[in-house]
Amino acid sequence: DIVMTQSPTSMSISVGDRVTMNCRASQNVGSNVDWYQQKTGQSPKLLIYKASNRYTGVPDRFTGSRSGTDFTFTISNMQAEDLAVYYCMQSNSYPFTFGSGTKLEIK
Amino acid sequence: EVQLVESGGGLVQPGRSLKLSCAASGFTFSNYYMAWVRQAPTKGLEWVAYISAGGGGTYYRDSVKGRFTISRDNAKSTLYLQMDSLRSEDTATYYCTTLSPNGAYWGQGTLVTVSS
Repeated sequence: DIVMTQSPTSMSISVGDRVTMNCRASQNVGSNVDWYQQKTGQSPKLLIYKASNRYTGVPDRFTGSRSGTDFTFTISNMQAEDLAVYYCMQSNSYPFTFGSGTKLEIK
Repeated sequence: EVQLVESGGGLVQPGRSLKLSCAASGFTFSNYYMAWVRQAPTKGLEWVAYISAGGGGTYYRDSVKGRFTISRDNAKSTLYLQMDSLRSEDTATYYCTTLSPNGAYWGQGTLVTVSS
């Protein structure tokens, strides 16, 4: 199975901060990586698909990029409503696999 | 309004069976691959199984292969997950989802607890 190594596990941030998290795939997954946001008690929501495409209705402060097998997710101007756990997921081959998540907390 | 509504979760003893359902509405269900994703209490997300739009293709993670069966009834816009020989490690909230950028829909989840 493809392992998605996600870092960091958690981040303490302030409103207005720039937030960056990463996922590294254990083998080539092309650009087939999505990013999800999960708030406490809610279902996950798709934010970015195929590494860098923003899903419908997602604010432009959320961006994704790829460099080889390294994938980066950025929130350019952290808002209070962005507090959540963020997951990457590769959909290049079965079984699809998720990263372990990055939890954003208020400093 | 798009809705995915899971049902069928509950408390079940190890080794027993349970069947989950996911009723879809508000979109053309038969056009979408569908998946089950689970989340153990306080843990991360784990992809479980996937079924093609017509139902002819199915894919499973190794830990559920041979025990779980994903199926669908496009006439009823309903997705299923038959879970047999349940283990304690199957305890989780089970979500049905399209996992598609052409309509990324998730249900609210149904909790399955495997315990004696």
